[in-house]
Amino acid sequence: GAVVSQHPSRVICKSGTSVKIECRSLDFQATTMFWYRQFPKQSLMLMATSNEGSKATYEQGVEKDKFLINHASLTLSTLTVTSAHPEDSSFYICSPLNQQSEAFFGQGTRLTVV
Amino acid sequence: DAKTTQPPSMDCAEGRAANLPCNHSTISGNEYVYWYRQIHSQGPQYIIHGLKNNETNEMASLIITEDRKSSTLILPHATLRDTAVYYCIVRVGGGNQGGKLIFGQGTELSVKP
Repeated sequence: GAVVSQHPSRVICKSGTSVKIECRSLDFQATTMFWYRQFPKQSLMLMATSNEGSKATYEQGVEKDKFLINHASLTLSTLTVTSAHPEDSSFYICSPLNQQSEAFFGQGTRLTVV
Repeated sequence: DAKTTQPPSMDCAEGRAANLPCNHSTISGNEYVYWYRQIHSQGPQYIIHGLKNNETNEMASLIITEDRKSSTLILPHATLRDTAVYYCIVRVGGGNQGGKLIFGQGTELSVKP
């Protein structure tokens, strides 16, 4: 299967700071990227969809100014959680689509805001 | 909202077949059925997908009813490493159109020795 690298796998940050999560497709080009978050004991919730070179589309209830998505190249997308608060603590997962629209998933980033 | 319903949990004996059901009664003609699984604290792993014909690969078999309102994922010889949450997803847009993957609650499969 295709290789997706998501970094960091775990991060702890203080309230009010920003955290950047990177997602790279190592052996394919991803024109579309999905970003999910998952709270404990819950399913994955789609946050936003981004296409390379254009603005991301956010799901209802997701603040676009808080969760900044940059998809500047076909192999890299980033999610920045700005002014993080404890309620933003979650498991964040990226999912790039290859040119056949097959979806792959990163290993996830465990964010803890203290 | 997810368009699928699955039992919240199931048990299976090691070495036996695990049959995971999924209802998707409102599926549209151009929507595919996808199955993923998630082992604790990891990203989801693709298993299999299909439109209307039964499918089989090295991991599993997918049986879709003729009316396409339900499907069953079959793990033919479950091992302890198959313990995971299994998600049945109807993909909006389907096929190669890059539709969203909307996750429901999934089935937590426990394979027991």
